[in-house]
Amino acid sequence: AQKVTQAQTEISVVEKEDVTLDCVYETRDTTYYLFWYKQPPSGELVFLIRRNSFDEQNEISGRYSWNFQKSTSSFNFTITASQVVDSAVYFCALSDVRMNSGYALNFGKGTSLLVTP
Amino acid sequence: DSGVTQTPKHLITATGQRVTLRCSPRSGDLSVYWYQQSLDQGLQFLIQYYNGEERAKGNILERFSAQQFPDLHSELNLSSLELGDSALYFCASSVAPGLNYGYTFGSGTRLTVV
Repeated sequence: AQKVTQAQTEISVVEKEDVTLDCVYETRDTTYYLFWYKQPPSGELVFLIRRNSFDEQNEISGRYSWNFQKSTSSFNFTITASQVVDSAVYFCALSDVRMNSGYALNFGKGTSLLVTP
Repeated sequence: DSGVTQTPKHLITATGQRVTLRCSPRSGDLSVYWYQQSLDQGLQFLIQYYNGEERAKGNILERFSAQQFPDLHSELNLSSLELGDSALYFCASSVAPGLNYGYTFGSGTRLTVV
């Protein structure tokens, strides 16, 4: 069964600290995609990254970086030098291919990040 | 602005009532997805349409139904509403239905059932 586990429910850091959000997944699919989304207090879901199962290269985008390790079924997200504006709930998601070429995303429960000045 | 438009943004209604949530996908996107976000269940996939046809179904209750119209906008109908249906309902769209295409979420409709 498809499953995404974000074991950290809440994290609180002081501004400028680095923080890593963990994501562990389970899937029987050989081809799959992993996603990270940000949900700020305003409520919308903001896309951060999509990674396919064949690409294990780490990715860096500004202060954000992602570490994909297929061997441990993990796709962790690190924010370097955190800022107050990073305060949000972060969701990790796994693609779930359905019959008839449809697909859904299975989301983890989310990690609430609070960055204080 | 993500390009996916959901209306209304907020909706308050009584138990037993029926409501319709509307979603207009990004220009050029043919596939529409509906998700429900509640405190106890988290973010859950409800249903997917591609060019008017249902493509995938998730944990959608029988009291809920959806459709996608020829102009590609979609509506999610919720009937016989219960308190537990209070949630944030998201719509997302993508160019195609398949795995190679990521998708973009709208800002959601917050439904409160009283």
